[in-house]
Amino acid sequence: SYVLTQLPSVSVAPGETARITCGGNNIGTKSVHWHQQKPGQAPVLIISYDVKRPSGVPERFSGSNSGNTATLTISRVEAGDEADYYCLAWDSGDWVFGGGTKMTVL
Amino acid sequence: QVQLVESGGGVVQPGRSLRLSCAAPGFTFSNYGMHWVRQAPGKGLEWVAAISYDGGEKNYADSVKGRFTISRDNSKNTLYLQMNSLRPEDTAVYYCATAPEGSAIRGTGAGGIDVWGQGTTVTVSS
Repeated sequence: SYVLTQLPSVSVAPGETARITCGGNNIGTKSVHWHQQKPGQAPVLIISYDVKRPSGVPERFSGSNSGNTATLTISRVEAGDEADYYCLAWDSGDWVFGGGTKMTVL
Repeated sequence: QVQLVESGGGVVQPGRSLRLSCAAPGFTFSNYGMHWVRQAPGKGLEWVAAISYDGGEKNYADSVKGRFTISRDNSKNTLYLQMNSLRPEDTAVYYCATAPEGSAIRGTGAGGIDVWGQGTTVTVSS
């Protein structure tokens, strides 16, 4: 079965740029969607189809996807961005989530 | 405004059954494919099942195939998940969620998951 690999954690200072990666075999040929989950809350879609931002999601959030890596980039990180981030893609009959990356704002 | 409200969670013994519901008031439910996703305590997200807008197409994760059944009643704006032969490893918060309006529920070009409910907790324990 298809595997999406995310680093368990990343730490970033306020105002800096965070890059959260999602690795998978030829993931660049798939559509990748990103979800944010804050503690005690349901997830929220923040990027769809690799690069699309739903209405209400700040422009600081952006996505890219090529080769074997999809990347969620968060510019000018704020304290309120502290959350778990999950990538999601479809492969051969299943929707697959990455294991999630916990982003800590220092 | 898309709103989803799950119910039906609780504590159940291994081997027993439980049916979850997801009410979808206030939007054209029949335009949306739907998903169930679960999250075990302290763990990540796991996709469970999906159903097309008209109920004609269904998909299941291997971990629940043959035990869980997803269904919907568009006249009642409600999604269901019938869970049989429950195991301790099924313990999780269960979320219902929409696919993007008009999107397929499967395939590389499918839209994934859009709006999430708040979840209902299922605990399988003796």
